[in-house]
Order: sequence, then structure tokens, then C-alpha cells
Amino acid sequence: DSGVTQTPKHLITATGQRVTLRCSPRSGDLSVYWYQQSLDQGLQFLIHYYNGEERAKGNILERFSAQQFPDLHSELNLSSLELGDSALYFCASSVAAANYGYTFGSGTRLTVV
Amino acid sequence: GENVEQHPSTLSVQEGDSAVIKCTYSDSASNYFPWYKQELGKGPQLIIDIRSNVGEKKDQRIAVTLNKTAKHFSLHITETQPEDSAVYFCAASAYSGGSNYKLTFGKGTLLTVNP
Repeated sequence: DSGVTQTPKHLITATGQRVTLRCSPRSGDLSVYWYQQSLDQGLQFLIHYYNGEERAKGNILERFSAQQFPDLHSELNLSSLELGDSALYFCASSVAAANYGYTFGSGTRLTVV
Repeated sequence: GENVEQHPSTLSVQEGDSAVIKCTYSDSASNYFPWYKQELGKGPQLIIDIRSNVGEKKDQRIAVTLNKTAKHFSLHITETQPEDSAVYFCAASAYSGGSNYKLTFGKGTLLTVNP
């Protein structure tokens, strides 16, 4: 157990739907990062939150949004889902927003049918 | 932005042999380079990291070397064991604005250790 909790582990939904992925960071970590992992694109950075504030955006689609709550857990919202959104979504946390290694959760496998 | 290239994409070795995975990065300002191991069905796990003020770091059978001039770094695994079989990712820490950094990952190397 890495200390980073992601729920649900698996999610199957239909095209056009909206889902919410949840992440609880490791105790004491203020930064939360979201990554999308697919076979062809590898680990792609989506967004970074630090202590409730958005700090950086990567290759995140406009249909996707995220937030970090006062208790530091984070949610990634995916809407108007397409088949191509099927992927593993990882949350990672770290102590700060600087150069530290991340601790990853075990991921949410999203399948859009 | 930062770009990280990783080679090879697949690597097969015999148990007991050494394995080497190489990465190059593009942003000369990057100064933190972690390596992750991902087993099937799990999230990536940090196995070793190196900062730009050192050229080499070892942890038992794993070592990482860094050549800042050439902008490349490598993972060396000696005396490989079947449980080393996994996907390995290199990453480089890239500045993302303000006081923030984010990790940019290579595409991964599938290492298979044959008994």
C-alpha cells in the first residue's frame, strides 16, 4: 500500500457519460498530480494541485476538470466521454511542488463502451 | 517543454545478467531524475532517483548514472532476477511555472528476465 488511495479501481461507462475519479493523497503530502496512462501515449501529465490551488496544466482536455478540496483529497471529472478516453488514470502525491519523487496510487481503469 | 526519450522499449535478459535502460532529456534546467517500476495492475513505484549534483547513485543491485553535459541518464540492474520483470519508466523534473515542477516520463521499457 503506497498510502495514495484511488477509487474506484475499475469503471465501465458508456460514451457521452460523466464520471468522477477520486484520490486521497499520502498523509502529509500537499501536492496531487493526475496522469493518464495509455499504451500509445505512456504517462501523460494532466494537472497539478498544491494545497487546494491549481498549479499547472498539461495535456488535459476541456471536457476534463479537477479540484483539490480543503482536506486535500482530489477529484478528476471526465465528461462527454469518448471511446478514446479509455485508459488508466493515476493520481500521485508529493510533499511539495518542487523536485521530489511522486508516490502513485494504484490507478482507476476507465473503460468507455 | 521537456521531452524524455527512453530506449529500448523492450529488453529481454537471462537471469543473472545485467540490464541497462537509457534516457535522454531536452531541458538543460531539469535537475531531478527518478526511475519508476510498474508491475502489472499496479501504479508506478519509485525505485531510485538522482539529482544533478551527483553523477552516480547505487542501491544494492540498482544504480543510476547521469551525464548532464550529454543530457542522458541510465538505469543499471545487476544480477537480474525474475521478479525484476516489469515496465520501467525514467522521468525528468521540468519547470512548470512559478515555483512548481512536474515530472515528464519516458515511454517505458518492458524488461523481461528469463529464468
